[in-house]
Amino acid sequence: AQSVTQLGSHVSVSEGALVLLRCNYSSSVPPYLFWYVQYPNQGLQLLLKYTSAATLVKGINGFEAEFKKSETSFHLTKPSAHMSDAAEYFCAVSRPGTASKLTFGTGTRLQVTL
Amino acid sequence: EPEVTQTPSHQVTQMGQEVILRCVPISNHLYFYWYRQILGQKVEFLVSFYNNEISEKSEIFDDQFSVERPDGSNFTLKIRSTKLEDSAMYFCASSEGIGLDGYTFGSGTRLTVV
Repeated sequence: AQSVTQLGSHVSVSEGALVLLRCNYSSSVPPYLFWYVQYPNQGLQLLLKYTSAATLVKGINGFEAEFKKSETSFHLTKPSAHMSDAAEYFCAVSRPGTASKLTFGTGTRLQVTL
Repeated sequence: EPEVTQTPSHQVTQMGQEVILRCVPISNHLYFYWYRQILGQKVEFLVSFYNNEISEKSEIFDDQFSVERPDGSNFTLKIRSTKLEDSAMYFCASSEGIGLDGYTFGSGTRLTVV
């Protein structure tokens, strides 16, 4: 079984500050890991993914995440927050090799203040 | 950029009625999925579909749910007799096969059962 834990249901940062959204996973096999963003009343947009290539993954909108096997983590970061980054962020895990289901975390709502 | 299209965007139905949610996956994708998100909660897997049959389903996907790919382009989710607790956002997703490119989600159908 696979699972994802997102620490912090709400994170608030000032505009221009570092964004750090935490994700830890549990998987019996080397996982594929994803971050999705959901803006209000919209669908899920893929930010970035780890599929066993480079451990530091760069995504859209200046976000990146680092796969750390020893810590079973895949934290999402952005050096400088922008007001437009305010959204819900979901970490998700799947099994590689077949297009198996995504298992999502509970999400982290990012608030960006002036 | 290819996208997954879902219709309708909003559906209101009376308890006990049948609803059909429609999705047009990306044309060269082979795997199709339905997920749901109850308001304020995480995204939950319902069912995956490949080669015209269900490949995996969750415990949520009971006998009142069914999926179909009627014509080679559409992918539908039918709820036979809706209950109040079926009110949620339903997302369709598709992937090309082994998950390397991630899963592309539609913008969702908000189902409200009254």
